Amino acid sequence: GAGVSQSPRYKVAKRGQDVALRCDPISGHVSLFWYQQALGQGPEFLTYFQNEAQLDKSGLPSDRFFAERPEGSVSTLKIQRTQQEDSAVYLCASSLYAAAEAFFGQGTRLTVV
Amino acid sequence: QKEVEQDPGPLSVPEGAIVSLNCTYSNSAFQYFMWYRQYSRKGPELLMYTYSSGNKEDGRFTAQVDKSSKYISLFIRDSQPSDSATYLCAMNDYKLSFGAGTTVTVRA
Repeated sequence: GAGVSQSPRYKVAKRGQDVALRCDPISGHVSLFWYQQALGQGPEFLTYFQNEAQLDKSGLPSDRFFAERPEGSVSTLKIQRTQQEDSAVYLCASSLYAAAEAFFGQGTRLTVV
Repeated sequence: QKEVEQDPGPLSVPEGAIVSLNCTYSNSAFQYFMWYRQYSRKGPELLMYTYSSGNKEDGRFTAQVDKSSKYISLFIRDSQPSDSATYLCAMNDYKLSFGAGTTVTVRA
């Protein structure tokens, strides 16, 4: 596709429910990043993949958060037992290599009720 | 203290004015400096990407980087109502560190 695609655009989850957020990066982009953006704040780094390898997961806020990119293309961010503080916009970005220009998807807005 | 500091504003200017935005940072390892524009309910869109100290111009937009002062700026000339958005500075070692974003409104 022409850009980074994320789905769903909006997700409402009941507290305690598991959710899965999908990211389709730009074809051929080696690097893939997940960021979390709280209301009125800049995006905060969650995790980084180079192809299928997760090289940095230092930003994941708890062990309830898990990300994968098994074939080096599509990535999924999973949040188990969602809590209200998980409510945020989750952004995916891809780039040709780590320090290159990063292109963002439109994000998934997660609301935990 | 956050690695990247950005005044969140909001900033309101009349159409045609120059918009001046800036950020400071603390990590000397940052080599790449970016400005993103984010419209409401959209993902960030890359505006400017610079590597070294100095100026870079692209149409109505000028980005400045002063690595000795750890200070970056974005100037928007002849601002238009369509420039109304949140502007995020970002710095890159391999992952991006963002400022909080400045919300700009250009009044017609």
